[in-house]
Amino acid sequence: SQKIEQNSEALNIQEGKTATLTCNYTNYSPAYLQWYRQDPGRGPVFLLLIRENEKEKRKERLKVTFDTTLKQSLFHITASQPADSATYLCALGGSGGYQKVTFGTGTKLQVIP
Amino acid sequence: DAGVIQSPRHEVTEMGQEVTLRCKPISGHNSLFWYRQTMMRGLELLIYFNNNVPIDDSGMPEDRFSAKMPNASFSTLKIQPSEPRDSAVYFCASSLCGGNQPQHFGDGTRLSIL
Repeated sequence: SQKIEQNSEALNIQEGKTATLTCNYTNYSPAYLQWYRQDPGRGPVFLLLIRENEKEKRKERLKVTFDTTLKQSLFHITASQPADSATYLCALGGSGGYQKVTFGTGTKLQVIP
Repeated sequence: DAGVIQSPRHEVTEMGQEVTLRCKPISGHNSLFWYRQTMMRGLELLIYFNNNVPIDDSGMPEDRFSAKMPNASFSTLKIQPSEPRDSAVYFCASSLCGGNQPQHFGDGTRLSIL
């Protein structure tokens, strides 16, 4: 069955460092992958989308990579700030049909001042 | 710009009662999604509407759950009768033209069934 794995343990990093979050998947051939941020008591907020034919995408301090051979996406936040502390969800979408999106369970990031 | 609006934000009710959750999507979005989020299972898709028509309801747990979208600006998710295992946060999201577009989420309804 399709499986999306994100590190369930919280990631603690020092302010100013680069945070790297991992999203691995099995039994899936996604056409695209999205990353969302979720703060406590709030709904997820879209950050970035990367398609299967793209290796890397950047937006300000954010960078996403997508390796369809390794079946993995890496999400980087450079020069991390305490305000970046949140849970980050990856979501995979298929091709054809209505392109259903399936979410991972998320990784909690804590940036320590 | 108004985002996705959900009501109520919190609902506490007793087992066996009917629960109705409401959602107003972003104007102009033609896709609407209902999700359930729990610590154990994460964010699960319950049902997807496109142009007010249910396209995929394979995630609806059982017949106790039903969803409607009578028009482009309103949707409901109903649980009848409710059970303690239905306790979760329920999110509504909308997007332009299906799942490959960014989804805009409401802030959810935290449901507790006693």
